[in-house]
Amino acid sequence: GESVGLHLPTLSVQEGDNSIINCAYSNSASDYFIWYKQESGKGPQFIIDIRSNMDKRQGQRVTVLLNKTVKHLSLQIAATQPGDSAVYFCAENWVTGRRALTFGSGTRLQVQP
Amino acid sequence: EAQVTQNPRYLITVTGKKLTVTCSQNMNHEYMSWYRQDPGLGLRQIYYSMNVEVTDKGDVPEGYKVSRKEKRNFPLILESPSPNQTSLYFCASSAQLGRDTEAFFGQGTRLTVV
Repeated sequence: GESVGLHLPTLSVQEGDNSIINCAYSNSASDYFIWYKQESGKGPQFIIDIRSNMDKRQGQRVTVLLNKTVKHLSLQIAATQPGDSAVYFCAENWVTGRRALTFGSGTRLQVQP
Repeated sequence: EAQVTQNPRYLITVTGKKLTVTCSQNMNHEYMSWYRQDPGLGLRQIYYSMNVEVTDKGDVPEGYKVSRKEKRNFPLILESPSPNQTSLYFCASSAQLGRDTEAFFGQGTRLTVV
């Protein structure tokens, strides 16, 4: 598959443990945030999103936390599985005359069986 | 099945030889965009389109052109490719960017310019 980054921060966890992936975003005016998962050889895939008027949102096995005070976003994955191994990106949406998603550089999650 | 389709998946070309990477979506989305992905730099937007015949520059538009003659198609054109355009390219579409929607991404096109 295609390599998406040679020197990404890497989080290594045991199967069944919980994973927490962190992201610092850049713009206090950002009003919408998305977490994406990118497996080798594939395009980014939507996981979960959150608006700036929320501080927590839960999905299936995933939870996103937003701390606007320190401009920090985290993705929590419960009971991590080998299929969760991938690169995870956070993206923020802010408008400065155009609508655009700005992506972080990504974190590689490795799940050890 | 809802999808964004890019072609080709892999392309090796020589400097200066014009090429086009096609992108098509079957979800009737208004918003489409192109990104390039480079190690350590993440995904950076090249161009985007809010609707048919409406396109605008993203963060790294130099050396690229796009067109949006139909809602479903958004080709990326490199008139005179150079080695610094060697990268992994993704097309994405959304019903409406940034408001409770998600961006659907294509599988990617690995371009090598020699």
